[in-house]
Amino acid sequence: EDQVTQSPEALRLQEGESSSLNCSYTVSGLRGLFWYRQDPGKGPEFLFTLYSAGEEKEKERLKATLTKKESFLHITAPKPEDSATYLCAVAVRGSTLGRLYFGRGTQLTVWP
Amino acid sequence: DAGVTQSPTHLIKTRGQHVTLRCSPISGHKSVSWYQQVLGQGPQFIFQYYEKEERGRGNFPDRFSARQFPNYSSELNVNALLLGDSALYLCASSLSPDPNEKLFFGSGTQLSVL
Repeated sequence: EDQVTQSPEALRLQEGESSSLNCSYTVSGLRGLFWYRQDPGKGPEFLFTLYSAGEEKEKERLKATLTKKESFLHITAPKPEDSATYLCAVAVRGSTLGRLYFGRGTQLTVWP
Repeated sequence: DAGVTQSPTHLIKTRGQHVTLRCSPISGHKSVSWYQQVLGQGPQFIFQYYEKEERGRGNFPDRFSARQFPNYSSELNVNALLLGDSALYLCASSLSPDPNEKLFFGSGTQLSVL
């Protein structure tokens, strides 16, 4: 069964304290891995898509990397406005067209 | 440009009732997907529609149905509501049904079943 597991479930960081969020996946064939950010009461907001092992993408303080079994979202010198839930999702080869499999997310809190 | 809009934003129903949720995609987007997000969990795929046809269905009972209109807006219908149907229902639009296409989500409809 295709699975996406995110860790930790929750993370508290002081402003400026860098860290990483993990997304491990067990799928029959990866088409793409996605990172989304979700603020309370809002829908997920797209951050990155990664397609193959070794790929990296950056946006401001965020950097996403991908290996054959997991992805990391690195947050460098976070600010309070980075507080949100970060969701990882995968698209799987041969699966229902258009379906993304989401993890439960990591709730990040950055305090001043 | 307007993003994905969903209505209503909040809804309270009782068990056994039915509900209709509505979604308007971003202009030019022809694909609409529906997801259910239970508190503390990630979104779960319900349906995808493209060009008014169902292109994908998740593991949800037949009480859940949807359709897409000629203007690409969509409705999600849930019959015989159960307490477990309480969740945030998210609509997402994209240019095509390609699973690697970027999804743009609306803010969702929060459904509470009492």
